[in-house]
Amino acid sequence: GIQVEQSPPDLILQEGANSTLRCNFSDSVNNLQWFHQNPWGQLINLFYIPSGTKQNGRLSATTVATERYSLLYISSSQTTDSGVYFCAVNQAGTALIFGKGTTLSVSS
Amino acid sequence: SQTIHQWPATLVQPVGSPLSLECTVEGTSNPNLYWYRQAAGRGLQLLFYSVGIGQISSEVPQNLSASRPQDRQFILSSKKLLLSDSGFYLCAWSIRFNEKLFFGSGTQLSVL
Repeated sequence: GIQVEQSPPDLILQEGANSTLRCNFSDSVNNLQWFHQNPWGQLINLFYIPSGTKQNGRLSATTVATERYSLLYISSSQTTDSGVYFCAVNQAGTALIFGKGTTLSVSS
Repeated sequence: SQTIHQWPATLVQPVGSPLSLECTVEGTSNPNLYWYRQAAGRGLQLLFYSVGIGQISSEVPQNLSASRPQDRQFILSSKKLLLSDSGFYLCAWSIRFNEKLFFGSGTQLSVL
């Protein structure tokens, strides 16, 4: 099955800093999603981005499907950005495969 | 707008007891529904999904079962819980199969 690797596994930032999270996948995919899990466990869908670039406020994501990776950019980070960021991919008709996540800690 | 409700938030159950976790979706019809489990290592594992009433697909063999008695209701059950069933259980829905997923708030299950 598809392997999903996220890096870095852990990231510590000061408030206001920018960061880039990476997701590599081992095969072509139909679907790629980024999620944020807050410290209380709630998972929020940030982007549905099988290819191209999307932006939502301070967050943006780029997927280069031909090179099998996706990047999540967080600009001017805030303490509320803390939590775990997951990348998930799948091929047609198959279950979403989640990476192990990047744990982000933003301090004030 | 669509919302997803999942309860209870936390549950402590003895080994061998039954389990019933419920999830409902509002504001949409014929959603695709999913149960995931998140172990302590953070990864999410798909347990069951349903594309319609009475249609359940299982991704992994286990001590759990799922049912979809109504269009927007998804239930996770067990007749006898094991210690290994402990974990964080998340319900999710999507309009189209495995496209943009929306998660409930989760149930932290501790089997003692």
